[in-house]
This record gives sequence, C-alpha cells and structure tokens, in this order.
Amino acid sequence: SAVISQKPSRDICQRGTSLTIQCQVDSQVTMMFWYRQQPGQSLTLIATANQGSEATYESGFVIDKFPISRPNLTFSTLTVSNMSPEDSSIYLCSGVAGASGVYEQYFGPGTRLTVT
Amino acid sequence: QKEVEQNSGPLSVPEGAIASLNCTYSDRGSQSFFWYRQYSGKSPELIMFIYSNGDKEDGRFTAQLNKASQYVSLLIRDSQPSDSATYLCAVGNQFYFGTGTSLTVIP
Repeated sequence: SAVISQKPSRDICQRGTSLTIQCQVDSQVTMMFWYRQQPGQSLTLIATANQGSEATYESGFVIDKFPISRPNLTFSTLTVSNMSPEDSSIYLCSGVAGASGVYEQYFGPGTRLTVT
Repeated sequence: QKEVEQNSGPLSVPEGAIASLNCTYSDRGSQSFFWYRQYSGKSPELIMFIYSNGDKEDGRFTAQLNKASQYVSLLIRDSQPSDSATYLCAVGNQFYFGTGTSLTVIP
C-alpha cells in the first residue's frame, strides 16, 4: 500500500490569490490524480498528473486555473489560481499502484480550502 | 467525465440485514471497477475491486459485475452500524467516481 500526505491540510484564502497544494507519496506510484469534492458531493476528477510532462485535464478544468506539476514518481503539486468563492472545496490527491492489471488507488487526507 | 450513476439514497437497513448498493456506467469499454467507503470528513478508502464478470467475495462484502448490462453492485452482509458511510463506485483506469450512496445501518 501507499501512504499519501498533503500540505496544507486546510487554508482560508482571499479571492484573487493562489494556493499551491503539495502531495507526497511514500512509494512510487504509477499514476497520480487530483480530485475536487464539494460538501456532500462525490469526487470530480480534475486531472491526471503526468510525470515530467503536462497534466491531462478533464472537461471543465484548464491548466491556467489549475496548473499541476509532477517532477517525479512520488510528488505532485496542484495550484488553484486566481481563486473565487466557488473554488471552496476539498482537494484530494491520489496515487495508483499495482502491476499485472491489478491496481489500487490510495487517497491523501485532503486539503480543505475556503475562499473568502 | 465518463458517466457513473448511483442511487444517492439515503439507504437505511437494520443491523444484521443485507445492504445492496448499485452502480451503472456508460463507458462500455471500462475494464476495472472499484468500491470505496467514505466516512464523513475522511478520505475514501478502497473496499474492493473487480475486473471480471461475476461475483467476488471478501468477508462480508460481495462485488457483482455484469459488463453486458453495464452495472456493478456491492452487497454488504450482516450489516453493522460501523458500515454507515457513503459508498462510492469508481470505474476505469481514470477512476471516475459515481455520485455515491449514503448508507445508514440502524441498530
């Protein structure tokens, strides 16, 4: 299994500013993902963080708003740029490990973001 | 996002009963299916994954997959109050999540 940590665990930010969330995995993972979860809602995939190249974004999410880096197999960052109150949410990082077609996904504890 | 649908619930069952959770998906090419449990204020945790048609059992949990009908289900036998949580279905290599089903097990 993989243990994933995220920093910060929570933050309160002013609108118009940016916040970078860090995600660290204790072992190498095949894939890393970033999700957003609104209160009482399910997880919405933002993007797949690709090592050493641009992230793959889902419909409705763009690089200018959510730039993502993944310099190696165990670390990724997500920046929420030019924030507005609508960006208030929990942001979750996940890592996928496995082999021979059997994969398991592990989640970080999440970052609770409030934009005022 | 690929469409993954679940009954939002809430679903209530008495302690000791069988809880049945269902999930349908739109991408016929999906090969991997996962069930997660999420307690309030916590991150999702993996319960089971299933790749092949049929049933897969793990303790009190049974996952059932029918690719032809594009649905996957989770049965929880001998439900316990500690099973009360939101259950999320995820589909595919990008792990697209369903809307989640809230389960309450009544003592």
